Amino acid sequence: GDSVTQMEGPVTLSEEAFLTINCTYTATGYPSLFWYVQYPGEGLQLLLKATKADDKGSNKGFEATYRKETTSFHLEKGSVQVSDSAVYFCALPNDYKLSFGAGTTVTVRA
Amino acid sequence: KAGVTQTPRYLIKTRGQQVTLSCSPISGHRSVSWYQQTPGQGLQFLFEYFSETQRNKGNFPGRFSGRQFSNSRSEMNVSTLELGDSALYLCASSLVGTIVAGELFFGEGSRLTVL
Repeated sequence: GDSVTQMEGPVTLSEEAFLTINCTYTATGYPSLFWYVQYPGEGLQLLLKATKADDKGSNKGFEATYRKETTSFHLEKGSVQVSDSAVYFCALPNDYKLSFGAGTTVTVRA
Repeated sequence: KAGVTQTPRYLIKTRGQQVTLSCSPISGHRSVSWYQQTPGQGLQFLFEYFSETQRNKGNFPGRFSGRQFSNSRSEMNVSTLELGDSALYLCASSLVGTIVAGELFFGEGSRLTVL
């Protein structure tokens, strides 16, 4: 079935550093793609999404571009803050559910 | 607008017992999904309900069951608890009838510890 594979962490960065988390997908067709974020002690929340190839999703300074040539949807942020410390999940829809990647734990140090 | 509410937030059970977890979706949301989150297995899909019908079920043993009521509230039950059932159980609701283009709204989860 359709699935995503994402780079596992943990990733530790200093404030203002550049963050990238790799995500690749395997799917028949071109499904919507999502990035979800889970802050400590909370449930998941949608960070951004892209519904078709070449779409760029963006939110809170994060961006991800849906690239069908490389079947990728990498998450990037140019300058991270301590408040970006969280677990990030790549996901795609698959038969009434979301299939999530393993999650990448990001810690940003002041 | 109230978010997805899950109860209880924390609970401790012993092996062999059973547990029922509750989820109240956002008002107007008719799709409710359940996921199990563990450090080793990550996020695993349990089941999804829409208008009281289970449309999909994950690869979990029959000890895991769920249901949805006419007001869209949902419960999941785990019988004969095992140590490996210790996890964060997340409920999510969705406004649209399918997940394809919709956004899932997650609750904060119910953290189950089995001793």
